[in-house]
Amino acid sequence: EAEVAQSPRYKITEKSQAVAFWCDPISGHATLYWYRQILGQGPELLVQFQDESVVDDSQLPKDRFSAERLKGVDSTLKIQPAELGDSAMYLCASSLLASGRADTQYFGPGTRLTVL
Amino acid sequence: TQLLEQSPQFLSIQEGENLTVYCNSSSVFSSLQWYRQEPGEGPVLLVTVVTGGEVKKLKRLTFQFGDARKDSSLHITAAQPGDTGLYLCAGAGDNFNKFYFGSGTKLNVKP
Repeated sequence: EAEVAQSPRYKITEKSQAVAFWCDPISGHATLYWYRQILGQGPELLVQFQDESVVDDSQLPKDRFSAERLKGVDSTLKIQPAELGDSAMYLCASSLLASGRADTQYFGPGTRLTVL
Repeated sequence: TQLLEQSPQFLSIQEGENLTVYCNSSSVFSSLQWYRQEPGEGPVLLVTVVTGGEVKKLKRLTFQFGDARKDSSLHITAAQPGDTGLYLCAGAGDNFNKFYFGSGTKLNVKP
Protein backbone atom coordinates (compact mmCIF):
# COMPACT_ATOMS: atom_id res chain seq x y z
CA GLU A 1 0.00 0.00 0.00
CA ALA A 2 1.39 3.41 -1.01
CA GLU A 3 2.31 5.73 1.84
CA VAL A 4 3.43 9.29 2.43
CA ALA A 5 7.07 9.32 3.49
CA GLN A 6 8.62 11.90 5.81
CA SER A 7 12.09 12.41 7.19
CA PRO A 8 13.54 12.79 9.66
CA ARG A 9 11.11 11.27 12.18
CA TYR A 10 12.67 13.21 15.04
CA LYS A 11 14.74 16.38 15.11
CA ILE A 12 16.28 18.16 18.08
CA THR A 13 17.82 21.56 17.46
CA GLU A 14 18.84 24.66 19.31
CA LYS A 15 17.00 27.91 18.86
CA SER A 16 18.30 30.14 16.05
CA GLN A 17 19.44 27.09 14.05
CA ALA A 18 17.99 26.10 10.69
CA VAL A 19 15.99 22.91 10.21
CA ALA A 20 14.50 21.22 7.16
CA PHE A 21 11.89 18.53 6.76
CA TRP A 22 11.27 16.40 3.69
CA CYS A 23 8.08 14.81 2.38
CA ASP A 24 7.43 12.41 -0.50
CA PRO A 25 3.69 12.12 -1.21
CA ILE A 26 1.87 9.12 -2.62
CA SER A 27 2.76 8.78 -6.29
CA GLY A 28 0.41 10.69 -8.56
CA HIS A 29 -1.11 12.83 -5.82
CA ALA A 30 -1.53 16.38 -7.07
CA THR A 31 -2.09 18.13 -3.75
CA LEU A 32 0.41 18.23 -0.88
CA TYR A 33 -0.14 19.73 2.56
CA TRP A 34 2.13 20.69 5.43
CA TYR A 35 0.52 20.88 8.87
CA ARG A 36 1.79 21.76 12.33
CA GLN A 37 0.25 19.97 15.30
CA ILE A 38 0.65 20.97 18.92
CA LEU A 39 0.42 18.00 21.28
CA GLY A 40 -3.21 16.96 21.86
CA GLN A 41 -4.67 19.40 19.31
CA GLY A 42 -5.84 19.12 15.73
CA PRO A 43 -3.44 19.83 12.84
CA GLU A 44 -3.11 23.41 11.62
CA LEU A 45 -2.50 23.95 7.90
CA LEU A 46 0.75 25.75 7.13
CA VAL A 47 0.90 25.47 3.34
CA GLN A 48 -0.94 23.68 0.53
CA PHE A 49 0.47 22.92 -2.91
CA GLN A 50 -1.28 21.88 -6.06
CA ASP A 51 1.45 20.36 -8.20
CA GLU A 52 4.32 22.87 -7.84
CA SER A 53 2.16 25.90 -7.07
CA VAL A 54 1.24 27.25 -3.65
CA VAL A 55 -2.54 27.30 -3.21
CA ASP A 56 -2.68 28.49 0.39
CA ASP A 57 0.11 29.71 2.67
CA SER A 58 -1.92 32.21 4.66
CA GLN A 59 -0.96 30.59 8.00
CA LEU A 60 2.73 30.13 7.18
CA PRO A 61 5.00 32.46 9.23
CA LYS A 62 6.88 33.68 6.21
CA ASP A 63 9.54 35.55 8.14
CA ARG A 64 11.04 32.23 9.21
CA PHE A 65 9.25 29.42 7.36
CA SER A 66 9.58 28.49 3.69
CA ALA A 67 8.26 25.60 1.63
CA GLU A 68 8.86 24.41 -1.89
CA ARG A 69 7.72 21.66 -4.22
CA LEU A 70 9.91 22.39 -7.22
CA LYS A 71 8.97 19.52 -9.53
CA GLY A 72 5.50 18.98 -8.17
CA VAL A 73 6.49 15.76 -6.43
CA ASP A 74 8.40 15.84 -3.14
CA SER A 75 8.52 18.87 -0.88
CA THR A 76 10.75 20.56 1.70
CA LEU A 77 9.69 22.70 4.64
CA LYS A 78 12.38 24.88 6.22
CA ILE A 79 12.52 26.90 9.41
CA GLN A 80 15.24 29.51 9.86
CA PRO A 81 15.85 30.50 12.58
CA ALA A 82 14.01 28.02 14.79
CA GLU A 83 12.32 29.35 17.94
CA LEU A 84 11.25 27.57 21.11
CA GLY A 85 7.59 27.91 20.11
CA ASP A 86 8.21 25.90 16.94
CA SER A 87 8.42 22.68 18.92
CA ALA A 88 5.60 20.53 17.50
CA MET A 89 4.79 17.66 15.18
CA TYR A 90 5.08 18.58 11.51
CA LEU A 91 2.81 16.49 9.34
CA CYS A 92 2.76 16.07 5.58
CA ALA A 93 -0.32 14.83 3.75
CA SER A 94 -1.31 14.32 0.13
CA SER A 95 -4.51 13.89 -1.82
CA LEU A 96 -5.11 12.56 -5.31
CA LEU A 97 -7.35 15.11 -6.95
CA ALA A 98 -6.53 18.64 -7.95
CA SER A 99 -8.08 21.62 -6.19
CA GLY A 100 -11.76 22.24 -6.42
CA ARG A 101 -12.91 18.68 -5.87
CA ALA A 102 -13.62 16.86 -2.64
CA ASP A 103 -11.07 14.21 -1.84
CA THR A 104 -9.38 12.37 1.00
CA GLN A 105 -5.96 13.23 2.36
CA TYR A 106 -3.44 10.67 3.60
CA PHE A 107 -0.85 11.52 6.23
CA GLY A 108 2.77 10.61 6.71
CA PRO A 109 4.19 9.60 10.11
CA GLY A 110 5.29 13.16 10.90
CA THR A 111 8.48 14.81 12.14
CA ARG A 112 8.64 15.57 15.84
CA LEU A 113 10.65 18.80 16.28
CA THR A 114 12.09 19.83 19.63
CA VAL A 115 13.74 23.25 19.89
CA LEU A 116 16.01 23.73 22.93
CA THR B 1 -11.81 30.18 15.79
CA GLN B 2 -12.31 26.47 15.13
CA LEU B 3 -14.54 25.75 12.15
CA LEU B 4 -15.25 22.24 13.43
CA GLU B 5 -16.04 21.64 17.10
CA GLN B 6 -15.48 18.20 18.53
CA SER B 7 -16.98 16.92 21.76
CA PRO B 8 -16.16 15.71 24.23
CA GLN B 9 -12.53 16.84 24.37
CA PHE B 10 -11.57 13.97 26.67
CA LEU B 11 -13.22 10.63 27.34
CA SER B 12 -12.06 7.91 29.71
CA ILE B 13 -14.11 4.73 29.80
CA GLN B 14 -13.88 1.08 30.76
CA GLU B 15 -13.38 -1.69 28.24
CA GLY B 16 -16.74 -2.91 26.91
CA GLU B 17 -18.57 0.41 27.18
CA ASN B 18 -20.13 2.23 24.24
CA LEU B 19 -19.36 5.83 23.33
CA THR B 20 -20.21 8.53 20.81
CA VAL B 21 -17.99 11.37 19.64
CA TYR B 22 -19.43 14.41 17.87
CA CYS B 23 -18.12 16.76 15.21
CA ASN B 24 -20.23 19.88 14.63
CA SER B 25 -20.07 22.95 12.43
CA SER B 26 -22.24 25.72 11.07
CA SER B 27 -20.58 25.22 7.66
CA VAL B 28 -21.45 22.73 4.96
CA PHE B 29 -18.74 20.33 3.85
CA SER B 30 -18.43 18.42 0.59
CA SER B 31 -17.02 15.45 2.51
CA LEU B 32 -15.86 14.62 6.00
CA GLN B 33 -13.10 12.34 7.21
CA TRP B 34 -12.45 10.69 10.55
CA TYR B 35 -8.92 9.85 11.65
CA ARG B 36 -7.36 8.12 14.64
CA GLN B 37 -3.94 9.23 15.79
CA GLU B 38 -1.66 7.50 18.25
CA PRO B 39 1.06 9.40 20.15
CA GLY B 40 4.07 10.21 17.98
CA GLU B 41 2.38 9.05 14.77
CA GLY B 42 0.50 10.68 11.93
CA PRO B 43 -3.32 10.48 11.70
CA VAL B 44 -4.62 7.30 10.11
CA LEU B 45 -7.74 7.56 7.97
CA LEU B 46 -10.75 5.62 9.27
CA VAL B 47 -13.50 6.68 6.88
CA THR B 48 -14.69 9.30 4.41
CA VAL B 49 -18.37 10.21 4.24
CA VAL B 50 -19.72 12.19 1.32
CA THR B 51 -23.51 12.01 1.16
CA GLY B 52 -25.83 13.73 3.66
CA GLY B 53 -27.37 11.11 5.96
CA GLU B 54 -24.76 8.53 5.01
CA VAL B 55 -23.92 5.82 7.55
CA LYS B 56 -20.76 3.74 7.31
CA LYS B 57 -19.68 0.87 9.53
CA LEU B 58 -16.16 -0.31 10.18
CA LYS B 59 -16.31 -3.32 12.51
CA ARG B 60 -17.35 -1.82 15.87
CA LEU B 61 -17.23 1.78 14.59
CA THR B 62 -20.28 3.48 13.08
CA PHE B 63 -19.94 6.83 11.32
CA GLN B 64 -22.81 9.09 10.36
CA PHE B 65 -22.82 12.25 8.24
CA GLY B 66 -25.61 14.70 9.06
CA ASP B 67 -28.39 15.26 6.55
CA ALA B 68 -27.24 18.84 5.98
CA ARG B 69 -23.55 17.79 5.77
CA LYS B 70 -22.65 20.08 8.69
CA ASP B 71 -22.03 17.50 11.40
CA SER B 72 -20.96 13.95 11.99
CA SER B 73 -20.78 11.37 14.74
CA LEU B 74 -18.62 8.38 15.51
CA HIS B 75 -20.07 5.62 17.67
CA ILE B 76 -17.90 2.85 19.10
CA THR B 77 -19.54 -0.30 20.41
CA ALA B 78 -17.85 -2.37 23.12
CA ALA B 79 -14.71 -0.24 23.24
CA GLN B 80 -11.35 -1.96 23.58
CA PRO B 81 -7.98 -0.66 24.86
CA GLY B 82 -6.76 -0.71 21.26
CA ASP B 83 -9.30 2.03 20.47
CA THR B 84 -7.32 4.45 22.64
CA GLY B 85 -6.11 7.50 20.73
CA LEU B 86 -6.92 10.97 19.45
CA TYR B 87 -9.95 10.99 17.14
CA LEU B 88 -9.96 13.81 14.61
CA CYS B 89 -12.62 14.90 12.16
CA ALA B 90 -11.77 16.94 9.07
CA GLY B 91 -14.23 18.59 6.71
CA ALA B 92 -13.41 19.28 3.07
CA GLY B 93 -14.40 22.66 1.69
CA ASP B 94 -15.52 23.22 -1.88
CA ASN B 95 -12.59 25.47 -2.70
CA PHE B 96 -9.12 24.25 -3.48
CA ASN B 97 -9.52 20.91 -1.75
CA LYS B 98 -8.87 22.49 1.65
CA PHE B 99 -9.53 20.54 4.85
CA TYR B 100 -10.61 21.96 8.21
CA PHE B 101 -9.75 19.98 11.32
CA GLY B 102 -11.50 19.74 14.64
CA SER B 103 -9.47 19.93 17.84
CA GLY B 104 -9.91 16.23 18.49
CA THR B 105 -11.33 13.89 21.12
CA LYS B 106 -8.80 12.09 23.27
CA LEU B 107 -10.15 8.64 24.12
CA ASN B 108 -8.70 6.39 26.80
CA VAL B 109 -10.13 2.89 27.16
CA LYS B 110 -9.09 1.22 30.38
CA PRO B 111 -8.78 -2.57 30.56
